[in-house]
Amino acid sequence: DMKVTQMPRYLIKRMGENVLLECGQDMSHETMYWYRQDPGLGLQLIYISYDVDSNSEGDIPKGYRVSRKKREHFSLILDSAKTNQTSVYFCASTDGGGGAEQFFGPGTRLTVL
Amino acid sequence: GDSVTQTEGQVALSEEDFLTIHCNYSASGYPALFWYVQYPGEGPQFLFRASRDKEKGSSRGFEATYNKETTSFHLQKASVQESDSAVYYCALGGNTGNYKYVFGAGTRLKVIA
Repeated sequence: DMKVTQMPRYLIKRMGENVLLECGQDMSHETMYWYRQDPGLGLQLIYISYDVDSNSEGDIPKGYRVSRKKREHFSLILDSAKTNQTSVYFCASTDGGGGAEQFFGPGTRLTVL
Repeated sequence: GDSVTQTEGQVALSEEDFLTIHCNYSASGYPALFWYVQYPGEGPQFLFRASRDKEKGSSRGFEATYNKETTSFHLQKASVQESDSAVYYCALGGNTGNYKYVFGAGTRLKVIA
């Protein structure tokens, strides 16, 4: 079953707290992504992971870091969350490069108070 | 850098109306072009892709043709249904061999029965 999962689905944190968003996929895809989605801005790329321990900044990496220790698992970490990081976060994976379809998870709605 | 522009932020139609959502891109190379659909509470889902000039992509009655001359990939459907109500994203990827995708801001389609 080709699936991308995200945990948690909803999260409320206070400013300054640490946040861990987790993503898993069961397709053995090498490439995984983290995006954030804000009204009127579409999907903005935060980080790309090409495989285990091979990560690259996307377009808006400031305030975020990632970890990928297993091919099927990709984490997004916010150290000391800020209110402007309130957003919906999506994880995605692809089989290969940028010409392939992306499989998206259901998203995590993060609110930072 | 590469960019995708979706002209319409929102579209409201009646059932059986003809749909066009405009998508124009700017890229130095020869990217693949995509359409994704997102229903409330879910992640974006791949609709279809086109990879070369004049190629038509299609799925579920939706279609779009890659036009390199006009740098466009407009989404069309002959007769929309209420169930087509969703947000539609145009995207490009795989330009010059990189793994990044660039998304438009999205178009919210509301179909009234």
